[in-house]
Amino acid sequence: GQQVMQIPQYQHVQEGEDFTTYCNSSTTLSNIQWYKQRPGGHPVFLIQLVKSGEVKKQKRLTFQFGEAKKNSSLHITATQTTDVGTYFCSDSGYSTLTFGKGTMLLVSP
Amino acid sequence: DSGVTQTPKHLITATGQRVTLRCSPRSGDLSVYWYQQSLDQGLQFLIQYYNGEERAKGNILERFSAQQFPDLHSELNLSSLELGDSALYFCASSRTPENNEQFFGPGTRLTVL
Repeated sequence: GQQVMQIPQYQHVQEGEDFTTYCNSSTTLSNIQWYKQRPGGHPVFLIQLVKSGEVKKQKRLTFQFGEAKKNSSLHITATQTTDVGTYFCSDSGYSTLTFGKGTMLLVSP
Repeated sequence: DSGVTQTPKHLITATGQRVTLRCSPRSGDLSVYWYQQSLDQGLQFLIQYYNGEERAKGNILERFSAQQFPDLHSELNLSSLELGDSALYFCASSRTPENNEQFFGPGTRLTVL
């Protein structure tokens, strides 16, 4: 079956450092969604990418969809302690909803 | 607050028992999704309903069943519970069935002893 792999599983950075998480699929993704889950909280939708090569920005967050639609990345510039949480990517085709296992980000002040 | 409500917040039960989790979607959302989140398996999609009809099925066990009612609320029934069913169960809703922006509820923490 389809698998969505996220790397790294865990990253610990100092506040102000950049952070990137990658989402890779064995098959072509229909579209990709990114979610953030704070410790003890529920996943919160961040963004959806649909087109090959698409790049979207939300303040310090930059999301990219690969040209072959088999990978995606989320880059955070100058992390802040409020960025702490687990970031999930998800492929949501017509009949499938596959989430990666997430990248847990810890930011030290 | 996402607008999605889930009850109960916590549930403690014994192996072999049956429980029902309830979810009310955001006002105007027709699609409801159920997910299971455990430490080792991450977020697993179980099932999706749209306007009362089953739309997509994920890794849902035969011991589990769900339905969406005419008022659009949904229930997830878990039976013959096993220790491994202990997890956080999330419900999410979306405006359309095309799996766009999903709004997650606060979850129900199920503990099977």
